[in-house]
Amino acid sequence: DVKVTQSSRYLVKRTGEKVFLECVQDMDHENMFWYRQDPGLGLRLIYFSYDVKMKEKGDIPEGYSVSREKKERFSLILESASTNQTSMYLCASRGGGSYNEQFFGPGTRLTVL
Amino acid sequence: GENVEQHPSTLSVQEGDSAVIKCTYSDSASNYFPWYKQELGKGPQLIIDIRSNVGEKKDQRIAVTLNKTAKHFSLHITETQPEDSAVYFCAARPPRYSSASKIIFGSGTRLSIRP
Repeated sequence: DVKVTQSSRYLVKRTGEKVFLECVQDMDHENMFWYRQDPGLGLRLIYFSYDVKMKEKGDIPEGYSVSREKKERFSLILESASTNQTSMYLCASRGGGSYNEQFFGPGTRLTVL
Repeated sequence: GENVEQHPSTLSVQEGDSAVIKCTYSDSASNYFPWYKQELGKGPQLIIDIRSNVGEKKDQRIAVTLNKTAKHFSLHITETQPEDSAVYFCAARPPRYSSASKIIFGSGTRLSIRP
């Protein structure tokens, strides 16, 4: 079974803090993704990576950065957390190929006070 | 870019009845349409998908139909059961990107099955 794990299920941080969300997959997938999930807005792509050290902006990259130093690990960084970044964050991974299934982690619910 | 609209946002059906969720997409070149189910406290999980060269696909109680001319696709769940209660997302993938390609998700439908 493909496993996508996220470092925390729940996280509470204060405004202005630097926040790291970690994601690890164990199936040697090339592609990894970070989404944000908010009620009524579906899944919005923040950043994705198609190879080690490669990254591309998604639809809502402002206020976020990412790091992919190893193939299995993709980190989302909030440089200075703000209250409007309170949300559910989902990591996903997918192998190469046009129709491969995308696997999601369980999510991290981040609250910024 | 691609835009996916999903309706309804909430749906409540009697156990045993059918449920239908509808999506439209904007990019006529999109060629892959997966559906994901998200249960409470979990990440979304793929339940069925369809490629643009197929009009319908069925897997037990779930089926997906695709109308390329109208640019819409639908999820049909028959004989609904309590375990079908979840949030469902439709998605579309335009082909112009690399194999990393972004999948564009709809806004989700919260399906509730009434006993």
